[in-house]
Amino acid sequence: NAGVTQTPKFQVLKTGQSMTLQCAQDMNHEYMSWYRQDPGMGLRLIHYSVGAGITDQGEVPNGYNVSRSTTEDFPLRLLSAAPSQTSVYFCASSRITGVENNEQFFGPGTRLTVL
Amino acid sequence: QQPVQSPQAVILREGEDAVINCSSSKALYSVHWYRQKHGEAPVFLMILLKGGEQKGHDKISASFNEKKQQSSLYLTASQLSYSGTYFCGTEVGNDYKLSFGAGTTVTVRA
Repeated sequence: NAGVTQTPKFQVLKTGQSMTLQCAQDMNHEYMSWYRQDPGMGLRLIHYSVGAGITDQGEVPNGYNVSRSTTEDFPLRLLSAAPSQTSVYFCASSRITGVENNEQFFGPGTRLTVL
Repeated sequence: QQPVQSPQAVILREGEDAVINCSSSKALYSVHWYRQKHGEAPVFLMILLKGGEQKGHDKISASFNEKKQQSSLYLTASQLSYSGTYFCGTEVGNDYKLSFGAGTTVTVRA
């Protein structure tokens, strides 16, 4: 099992550019989520999904889009990058069958810099 | 709203104990604890459900006081491998939306 994989590991964008961060998991988890991590702020939830075709907003959704067409993949799209979106982005997945099974497995992260 | 963690940082010698607190202004459904080492992804430690249960994971344990909307993580007889940043994540309803605290950085020295 590869677990949760994310690509790319590093990315530099110019203001106004768009891009997609990829996330995939091979554990057949229903739940997938995207977080951003900024110094001193912990992890903040951007968007999440509880199954294919179902997505919802988290704490900081503005400027980001997601879709979930398969159980395995959950890409995050930056529509028009801004310097405020410079951050480390983590994708995570978990089961949702019973709260005690809700251990989230995190991907290795994507470090994004917007100039 | 993010839970509040305290302290922000703690330095320990091997074998010493520490407590990390996590407080919320809202009634909580569950509390999750994760540890993150520098440059790595967060790793799950444990989940606590409302009801005041205590859980253990090696010499790391946690409690959840539902009435006070607080959880505490106990590091007992700390080891060098315990170094890292500890995050609590809180869930208000059973809605899969976790709010994480800003983290507590633990440094264990020989």
